[in-house]
Amino acid sequence: QVQLQESGPPGPVKPSGTLSLTCDVSAGSITNNYLWSWIRQPPGKGLEWIGEIWYSGKTNYSPSLKSRVTISLDSSKNQFSLRLTSVTAADTAIYFCARRGGWSDNWNLNYFDSWGQGTLVTVSS
Amino acid sequence: DVQMTQSPSSLSASVGDRVTITCRTSQGINNLLAWFQQKPGKAPKSLIYGASTLETGVPSKFSGSGSGTEFSLTISSLQPEDSATYYCHQYDTYPITFGQGTRLEIK
Repeated sequence: QVQLQESGPPGPVKPSGTLSLTCDVSAGSITNNYLWSWIRQPPGKGLEWIGEIWYSGKTNYSPSLKSRVTISLDSSKNQFSLRLTSVTAADTAIYFCARRGGWSDNWNLNYFDSWGQGTLVTVSS
Repeated sequence: DVQMTQSPSSLSASVGDRVTITCRTSQGINNLLAWFQQKPGKAPKSLIYGASTLETGVPSKFSGSGSGTEFSLTISSLQPEDSATYYCHQYDTYPITFGQGTRLEIK
């Protein structure tokens, strides 16, 4: 069973700064059959999909965050990363990494089947 | 965006009860809907995909149904460990969207 673990800054990120997170993938490899995603949940609010990346490097982003988001992948380290620029307090959230299927012949399987436990990122001066 | 309306937002039930959570979508999603369980500080756990297919290893007390724009998750024989927040999400159309969650309390 693949396992995902988020890691990020030890303290708050300053407003207007850049938020950077990494997701380590273990007990499995970052392969071509899956999409590797970032999702966030502001305190007391719902879940918001941020974006995802294929093994090939192709990305899909939420239109509402697209101008500030970059997701990248390092297959040699079996990890993928999130970079969010120009952050404000509204970006304070628990950030999850997750995997979902990328099967072109069975769309049913393209759901989020594995998640990390999430990491809280606070934007504060 | 596909809007997801999940109800109720919270419910309380007793051990042994059966409960149903509903997720309505603003448009058809080809039954590409999944349910997952979230407990505080833990990784969310997938329960159901394709609207009605049980994830491997998930007890059969969990079941999903529905089609079109209305879907439901039913949990039978409630146990204390079922206390959690349950979410639906659609994966038919970008951006992927989620229900607001249903907090289930076991009395």
